[in-house]
Amino acid sequence: ELKVEQNPLFLSMQEGKNYTIYCNYSTTSDRLYWYRQDPGKSLESLFVLLSNGAVKQEGRLMASLDTKARLSTLHITAAVHDLSATYFCAVEYNDMRFGAGTRLTVKP
Amino acid sequence: EAGVAQSPRYKIIEKRQSVAFWCNPISGHATLYWYQQILGQGPKLLIQFQNNGVVDDSQLPKDRFSAERLKGVDSTLKIQPAKLEDSAVYLCASSRSTDTQYFGPGTRLTVL
Repeated sequence: ELKVEQNPLFLSMQEGKNYTIYCNYSTTSDRLYWYRQDPGKSLESLFVLLSNGAVKQEGRLMASLDTKARLSTLHITAAVHDLSATYFCAVEYNDMRFGAGTRLTVKP
Repeated sequence: EAGVAQSPRYKIIEKRQSVAFWCNPISGHATLYWYQQILGQGPKLLIQFQNNGVVDDSQLPKDRFSAERLKGVDSTLKIQPAKLEDSAVYLCASSRSTDTQYFGPGTRLTVL
């Protein structure tokens, strides 16, 4: 059974700092997604990573995929308060499995 | 482009009652998904449709949950009878194929 593990589950960071969220998965997959969810809101697609070594960047967020290590990372550069949200990775195998989410709080 | 529409947005019922949720996907999106998101957890896929056929329903509790997408567009998800543990947000998403999924606003179900 496909398992998707994110860490950390909770992350509190200061504005201007850098940090990385990790997403490990248990079964070979070439398709990994990152989503953002604000409190009480639905999910917003951030990145779709389709191949080994894929790297995508949008603003202060950069996602990468290593299919051999079964690992994806979401790197936050110079965090700002607006990035406070819960971030989910999801892996597609026979179906779509989501991680538990990383609740990010960026403090001034 | 209009997004994924869901209704109702909120529903409160008592256990053992029945409830139905409706989803209208983005026009042209052949694939439709229903997810259950329990508070503090990631979404769990309940069922995936490709047009009006079921692709995956392995995590759907079939003794009480049912879903249909008769004309390959709108979909309904039903729970009958509801249990306390069904309290969650039910999210509908759609995609062109196995591409980026676009999520609706969700229906927040409270079972008392």
